Amino acid sequence: GENVEQHPSTLSVQEGDSAVIKCTYSDSASNYFPWYKQELGKRPQLIIDIRSNVGEKKDQRIAVTLNKTAKHFSLHITETQPEDSAVYFCAASDNAGNMLTFGGGTRLMVKP
Amino acid sequence: DAGVIQSPRHEVTEMGQEVTLRCKPISGHDYLFWYRQTMMRGLELLIYFNNNVPIDDSGMPEDRFSAKMPNASFSTLKIQPSEPRDSAVYFCASRTWQGETQYFGPGTRLLVL
Repeated sequence: GENVEQHPSTLSVQEGDSAVIKCTYSDSASNYFPWYKQELGKRPQLIIDIRSNVGEKKDQRIAVTLNKTAKHFSLHITETQPEDSAVYFCAASDNAGNMLTFGGGTRLMVKP
Repeated sequence: DAGVIQSPRHEVTEMGQEVTLRCKPISGHDYLFWYRQTMMRGLELLIYFNNNVPIDDSGMPEDRFSAKMPNASFSTLKIQPSEPRDSAVYFCASRTWQGETQYFGPGTRLLVL
């Protein structure tokens, strides 16, 4: 089955700096890669996703890049703000987007 | 839309008791997923349904766990008998047949003493 590794497990940045979270996956058949943000005590919420036919996708301060050959994808947050502090999860799944396998999560702390 | 609804939000029970968690997916969503989240194992998919039919239950930890979806607007996850290692947050999620985005409910925090 699919295996998703996520690094780092914790990340501390100053407000305004950029943050990068990296994930690798094992199953070359995976082609859907969502990122979820989970605030303390809350539900995971999708912030951005990418399909394997796209190398990069941006949404305001958030971007995701995908290297299908190397089987890794990354989340980039620019101009970080305190409200970006949360746990971020990457995931990978098959074509249908059903069998999501999640990475272990990254706790991002943005210091004001 | 109210989003995915789960009940109860918190459950404290004693080892050996039966626990039933409930989920109402977003209206019109054809897929329903049950996840478990723990510090040790992270977020794990337990089972998912399409049009009320269980499609993949390979993530269900053991026979003590069972899930049903009697209709398009209701699903249950049952643990019988419960054990302390079942303590976790259980999330339900749903999505439409066209889209890939899974929308999570608020979760049920289960503590088995």
